[in-house]
Amino acid sequence: KQEVTQIPAALSVPEGENLVLNCSFTDSAIYNLQWFRQDPGKGLTSLLLIQSSQREQTSGRLNASLDKSSGRSTLYIAASQPGDSATYLCAVRQYNNNDMRFGAGTRLTVKP
Amino acid sequence: NAGVTQTPKFRVLKTGQSMTLLCAQDMNHEYMYWYRQDPGMGLRLIHYSVGEGTTAKGEVPDGYNVSRLKKQNFLLGLESAAPSQTSVYFCASSYSDNQPQHFGDGTRLSIL
Repeated sequence: KQEVTQIPAALSVPEGENLVLNCSFTDSAIYNLQWFRQDPGKGLTSLLLIQSSQREQTSGRLNASLDKSSGRSTLYIAASQPGDSATYLCAVRQYNNNDMRFGAGTRLTVKP
Repeated sequence: NAGVTQTPKFRVLKTGQSMTLLCAQDMNHEYMYWYRQDPGMGLRLIHYSVGEGTTAKGEVPDGYNVSRLKKQNFLLGLESAAPSQTSVYFCASSYSDNQPQHFGDGTRLSIL
């Protein structure tokens, strides 16, 4: 059974700092991995999707990497801003089925 | 462009009552999903659909039923609500299994 873990559960950084969020998974037979952000009281917004054949994806100040063999993904946020404050979740989709497993998320606070 | 719309946004039920949550998407997506989100547990997949007329079970399907009679709509039913089903329910859709998921803003359901 796939299990997805995100550490730390919460992170607080000063504005301008570069930071890395971590996601680990137990079964490396994944189809893709997706990073989301969730603002309080809202649904999830997709940030980046990495297919199993890819090593990384970039969008603006965000860069996500994937290492299937070690069961890890990281989300790098450059030059953090207060508007980046949110909960960040990763989710993996398994091969040969549509089972989606989410981590519990990392709550990020960027202080002005 | 409304994206994914969930109805209702809030609801309080008594144990044993039934209700249906409605999800509608206007992006012509094939895949639709129902999740529940509970504190500290991340999102868990209840049921999903890979196209009109199809449904399949996710990680936590017990106590729920779904229907996808029209491509744009995905209904989640609770036949006999239980307090353990108190949660925030999210609907999502995607064009395919390798495309980002788009989420609604959720339905907050309390069962007394």
